Amino acid sequence: QKEVEQNSGPLSVPEGAIASLNCTYSDRGSQSFFWYRQYSGKSPELIMFIYSNGDKEDGRFTAQLNKASQYVSLLIRDSQPSDSATYLCAVTKTSYDKVIFGPGTSLSVIP
Amino acid sequence: DAGVTQSPTHLIKTRGQQVTLRCSPKSGHDTVSWYQQALGQGPQFIFQYYEEEERQRGNFPDRFSGHQFPNYSSELNVNALLLGDSALYLCASSLRATSSYNEQFFGPGTRLTVL
Repeated sequence: QKEVEQNSGPLSVPEGAIASLNCTYSDRGSQSFFWYRQYSGKSPELIMFIYSNGDKEDGRFTAQLNKASQYVSLLIRDSQPSDSATYLCAVTKTSYDKVIFGPGTSLSVIP
Repeated sequence: DAGVTQSPTHLIKTRGQQVTLRCSPKSGHDTVSWYQQALGQGPQFIFQYYEEEERQRGNFPDRFSGHQFPNYSSELNVNALLLGDSALYLCASSLRATSSYNEQFFGPGTRLTVL
């Protein structure tokens, strides 16, 4: 079992729709969870992090965490073509531990 | 506020050669982590440096080594290059001293091609 797994994608959604990205992790000791956006040929950009069960909203983005189910998700409301990118889920156990990344999910927003 | 910088941007080497990649962390950050990202995959953790010492190491052979300097900048060295070492090498910086959540910020990366 891989440490962090994500939908393989690609995921295609029409402009204005809600994009839902999912991630599961294997280590129950994981404490912090991150979503990074990576445009083709560029480096990852941190867009959200969450550490408590429940929802965290930032603009059009909502991160959801369920530690009991070892599941974290990212919702993107009112999807825009500029949201087309690969989304990477990452987890870590402590503030100084290594960060483990999933393989990423490619999102394409169709105008 | 200067972000994370890396050099060089691109590099082409041949098998068996050695390479050194460089990273300057975001202003105020004290920890540097290095990742290897192959095409179509997520970043794979190589190692992390804090207070000039290697603190964590991923599943990479000893051919991969690093260093952190007193000004927090860091180098990644790879010896005896293999074709499979071709990848995007990412440096990420974070603030270990006070951060509770280990948010990491990435540099633009170095694209290494081994021929």
